[in-house]
Amino acid sequence: GENVEQHPSTLSVQEGDSAVIKCTYSDSASNYFPWYKQELGKGPQLIIDIRSNVGEKKDQRIAVTLNKTAKHFSLHITETQPEDSAVYFCAATTSGSGTYKYIFGTGTRLKVLA
Amino acid sequence: DGGITQSPKYLFRKEGQNVTLSCEQNLNHDAMYWYRQDPGQGLRLIYYSQIVNDFQKGDIAEGYSVSREKKESFPLTVTSAQKNPTAFYLCASSSTGGSGNTIYFGEGSWLTVV
Repeated sequence: GENVEQHPSTLSVQEGDSAVIKCTYSDSASNYFPWYKQELGKGPQLIIDIRSNVGEKKDQRIAVTLNKTAKHFSLHITETQPEDSAVYFCAATTSGSGTYKYIFGTGTRLKVLA
Repeated sequence: DGGITQSPKYLFRKEGQNVTLSCEQNLNHDAMYWYRQDPGQGLRLIYYSQIVNDFQKGDIAEGYSVSREKKESFPLTVTSAQKNPTAFYLCASSSTGGSGNTIYFGEGSWLTVV
């Protein structure tokens, strides 16, 4: 079945450094790729997303890149800060009416060391 | 404020009891979902509903039941048949079709068996 592999499972970086999390998906029909940040004891919050007709999207210190040929997408966080410490989940889904498949990665625990 | 409200935040269940987790959304979303998250793990789909009075089993529906009598409400019952119910439960919702299917999460409910 469809799956999304996410790496690494844990990531520690020094404050101010960059962090990169990678996901690979299996369903070639996937065309929408959100990223979520989950703080301890809270629900995941959408931080950025990208659709298949775009190769890169940036929002301040956060960017996502998509390589449809290779079926992988990545989250890039620059100038990391302690408040970036959380668990990050990627997801792949087909969008459009009638389809409701969201396949989540297994999460990456990011620790930003002050 | 618009969003998804889950209650209670913390719930304790005795052996053999059924318990119900509440989920209400005022985002006017057609689709609603229930996910289970075990400590340090990813998200597993329990049930989802695309429209009022209709719902489908997800990957781990055994021992759970749902109803969708109103668009804004999607309660989850954890029955006594669920042998290992201790987990963090997340309710989510999304629009259907249109500009996309971003999924939004509530703040979660912790269920512990005592």
